[in-house]
Amino acid sequence: DAGVTQSPTHLIKTRGQQVTLRCSPKSGHDTVSWYQQALGQGPQFIFQYYEEEERQRGNFPDRFSGHQFPNYSSELNVNALLLGDSALYLCASSSDRGPEAFFGQGTRLTVV
Amino acid sequence: KQEVTQIPAALSVPEGENLVLNCSFTDSAIYNLQWFRQDPGKGLTSLLLIQSSQREQTSGRLNASLDKSSGRSTLYIAASQPGDSATYLCAVLSYNTDKLIFGTGTRLQVFP
Repeated sequence: DAGVTQSPTHLIKTRGQQVTLRCSPKSGHDTVSWYQQALGQGPQFIFQYYEEEERQRGNFPDRFSGHQFPNYSSELNVNALLLGDSALYLCASSSDRGPEAFFGQGTRLTVV
Repeated sequence: KQEVTQIPAALSVPEGENLVLNCSFTDSAIYNLQWFRQDPGKGLTSLLLIQSSQREQTSGRLNASLDKSSGRSTLYIAASQPGDSATYLCAVLSYNTDKLIFGTGTRLQVFP
């Protein structure tokens, strides 16, 4: 079992650009959540996908959008990048409110 | 609004000591509480999950307790080792929500 996998590992983008981050959930999991973690802070919830629909959203602007595919993998898209979007982006998978969330290794996004 | 606090923010101890990390939350109506470990720049590794109906969970040298009425959880690490050096995060999942609320973590350093 490969666990939760995220790609790419690191990414450098310029202000105003767009970025797509990818996540494959743990085998048997159907729910994917995305979190943003700024340096020295705890992760902040962006949104969650279940059955290809956004089920809940945190306090993030519409520049942050996502998608879930029939195989349960997911993408996080961020448009019009700002310097403040620089962070570690974490993907978590679970089994529809099953008890435990498993996280990937994250994507380190740097906006310059 | 659920808020999670972790004390202390940082801890430096010699190898072999027994440690207690603290996590407090403001709303006791939680579904579960999860403890994670995070190495620098990496993703989160799930350590222990405590369901709301449970009082404690144990895994090896780790023991986590939960007291919902007082809004507290503790992570006890026995016989600490340099390999335990990392940031430890607690997160709560409340009823009627799909998002984990994280504390800002305790950064632990165990020196030989």
